[in-house]
Amino acid sequence: GNSVTQMEGPVTLSEEAFLTINCTYTATGYPSLFWYVQYPGEGLQLLLKATKADDKGSNKGFEATYRKETTSFHLEKGSVQVSDSAVYFCAPDFGNEKLTFGTGTRLTIIP
Amino acid sequence: DTGVSQDPRHKITKRGQNVTFRCDPISEHNRLYWYRQTLGQGPEFLTYFQNEAQLEKSRLLSDRFSAERPKGSFSTLEIQRTEQGDSAMYLCASSFPGGGSDTGELFFGEGSRLTVL
Repeated sequence: GNSVTQMEGPVTLSEEAFLTINCTYTATGYPSLFWYVQYPGEGLQLLLKATKADDKGSNKGFEATYRKETTSFHLEKGSVQVSDSAVYFCAPDFGNEKLTFGTGTRLTIIP
Repeated sequence: DTGVSQDPRHKITKRGQNVTFRCDPISEHNRLYWYRQTLGQGPEFLTYFQNEAQLEKSRLLSDRFSAERPKGSFSTLEIQRTEQGDSAMYLCASSFPGGGSDTGELFFGEGSRLTVL
C-alpha cells in the first residue's frame, strides 16, 4: 500500500547550521511530493513540491529532490535561521485525490 | 483576507453534546477537504468535496460525523454525541486541482480546535 515515513523530531539546531529532514515513501505508482510547513500560530502552508523523478523543489532557501531510486524526498537547507522554527510535514499525493501527511518534524533554531 | 477561514477557532464542549464547525474556502476553489490533527501527529484525511458532491469519506469518519457543502461554497462538519477521543484540531483546506487525480496545492485554514470534557 501507499505510506509515508518522516524523520522523528524534535530537531534543535543552532542558527546557520545545515538542516536535513528525511522523508521516504512507499507507493504503487509515482506520487507527486510536497513539503508543508506550519509556523507557530498559523495554518499549514505549502513550502515546496516536485511532481516527477529528479525534479527539485525549492523555496525560501529550502530544497528537496524527488529520488525515485530511493523513494525519498528529503528536505534540506544550507543555513537555517530562527524564523525557520516550525513543524514540517512531508505529504505525498498518491494519485487518490488527497494528500497523505507524515507525522511532522518540529524544528527549533537557537540563536 | 481571502484565505480559508474556519469558525469557531476553539470549541470546548461536554461529552455527549453536538458540535458544528464551519469552513469558508477560497471562493474560486471547487475542492474542499476536512482533515483531523491530534497532538504530535500529521493531519489525517476525513472527507472531501468536489463542488457540492462529497466524493470520499475516510473510515475514520464514524456515523457520528457528517459533513455538508450544500451550495458548493462553505462547508460544515458536525459531530454528534461527542466523545473525548474526538478532541483534536479540525482542519479545512481548499484547492483548485489541475485535472485528473492531481490534488493541487491545498490552502489550509487555521483550524478549529475541539476539546471534549
